[in-house]
Amino acid sequence: AQKVTQAQTEISVVEKEDVTLDCVYETRDTTYYLFWYKQPPSGELVFLIRRNSFDEQNEISGRYSWNFQKSTSSFNFTITASQVVDSAVYFCALSEGYRSGGYQKVTFGTGTKLQVIP
Amino acid sequence: DAMVIQNPRYQVTQFGKPVTLSCSQTLNHNVMYWYQQKSSQAPKLLFHYYDKDFNNEADTPDNFQSRRPNTSFCFLDIRSPGLGDAAMYLCATSKGRDTQYFGPGTRLTVL
Repeated sequence: AQKVTQAQTEISVVEKEDVTLDCVYETRDTTYYLFWYKQPPSGELVFLIRRNSFDEQNEISGRYSWNFQKSTSSFNFTITASQVVDSAVYFCALSEGYRSGGYQKVTFGTGTKLQVIP
Repeated sequence: DAMVIQNPRYQVTQFGKPVTLSCSQTLNHNVMYWYQQKSSQAPKLLFHYYDKDFNNEADTPDNFQSRRPNTSFCFLDIRSPGLGDAAMYLCATSKGRDTQYFGPGTRLTVL
């Protein structure tokens, strides 16, 4: 069975601080995808990134960066120079790479609520 | 802009009174999903449509039904809402096994 663990329930940081959100996953699949979604107070889940299990390159997008390490089954997310607009719940998620039925079955973590204080 | 739209954004219903939530998409994705998300919890998949094929999750109560009259629209019907059904309902779409894109959600209140 797949499992995603986000051990940090809530994090508060002061604006401009860097913050890392942890994500640890479990799967028996050799092919899988990892995701991060952002859910602001408005409720919409906003897609941030998708990573496949064969691509361990770290990725940077503006103030966001992701560190994927298969050896530790982790896919951590760092926000550099945090801003108030980053305040949201962030979900890490995992899906199997190959699955019958042609759809994507996603297992979400329980989310980390980030509060950025001005 | 291509997007996923949900109406209404807020829905109030009475205990036991049927309610329908709507989702539409302009992404031309063949898969549509309905999730239930209760406060401070992760989204929980209720069911999905792969084209016209309906797929129910094993633990989705019979009280929840869905319709997909065409590629663009999908409806969530709650036949007899209970207090425990109060939640955010999220619609998502994907092109096959590709990334899921979510709508803004409908927040359901049951009085």
